[in-house]
Amino acid sequence: DAGVIQSPRHEVTEMGQEVTLRCKPISGHDYLFWYRQTMMRGLELLIYFNNNVPIDDSGMPEDRFSAKMPNASFSTLKIQPSEPRDSAVYFCASSFGSGGASDTQYFGPGTRLTVL
Amino acid sequence: AQKVTQAQTEISVVEKEDVTLDCVYETRDTTYYLFWYKQPPSGELVFLIRRNSFDEQNEISGRYSWNFQKSTSSFNFTITASQVVDSAVYFCALRPWGNTPLVFGKGTRLSVIA
Repeated sequence: DAGVIQSPRHEVTEMGQEVTLRCKPISGHDYLFWYRQTMMRGLELLIYFNNNVPIDDSGMPEDRFSAKMPNASFSTLKIQPSEPRDSAVYFCASSFGSGGASDTQYFGPGTRLTVL
Repeated sequence: AQKVTQAQTEISVVEKEDVTLDCVYETRDTTYYLFWYKQPPSGELVFLIRRNSFDEQNEISGRYSWNFQKSTSSFNFTITASQVVDSAVYFCALRPWGNTPLVFGKGTRLSVIA
């Protein structure tokens, strides 16, 4: 079975440009999480969805960040305008939502974003 | 508040040595899950193990073993007879019962030298 798919794997852009990161969760999973990994802050949650509805976006750093999940098989994380401090690895993860042992989050390969 | 502490930032061992990665957690929840993930140099996050707060049995999977002790709020990970392929950053994580986000420790970078 395909795991979580993220694209692009690498993105280099210039400050001020719009960046869109994409994620396809594992089929059947009804929870989707966006995490960011930086040297300074480690792995931290940005936002998560349940059945395509955002549940908690308190980790989104500021209004420049937005995330959508238009259907069960696709989510985007957009940064507009991008800044050098947004440089990080962005991970998408998905899981089932039963609340028990099957709720392990499986991660995509990540998108390494560099903002010059 | 939930918190995970991995006090060891970096560990270096010679191949075939045993190594233990420490994880201490804080939570006020009575039910919760603990996880270990591996991040090899290629960058992906690979799930290794999940443990729930009701089950303190130690677990062994090949060269990997995990020691969960609620009394000390610890969930340590031991690699026996380490190999170069074990070189990676290992993350311990905590999640309350229910499908909520993971709280990660800062990770421990393990280098296994041939």
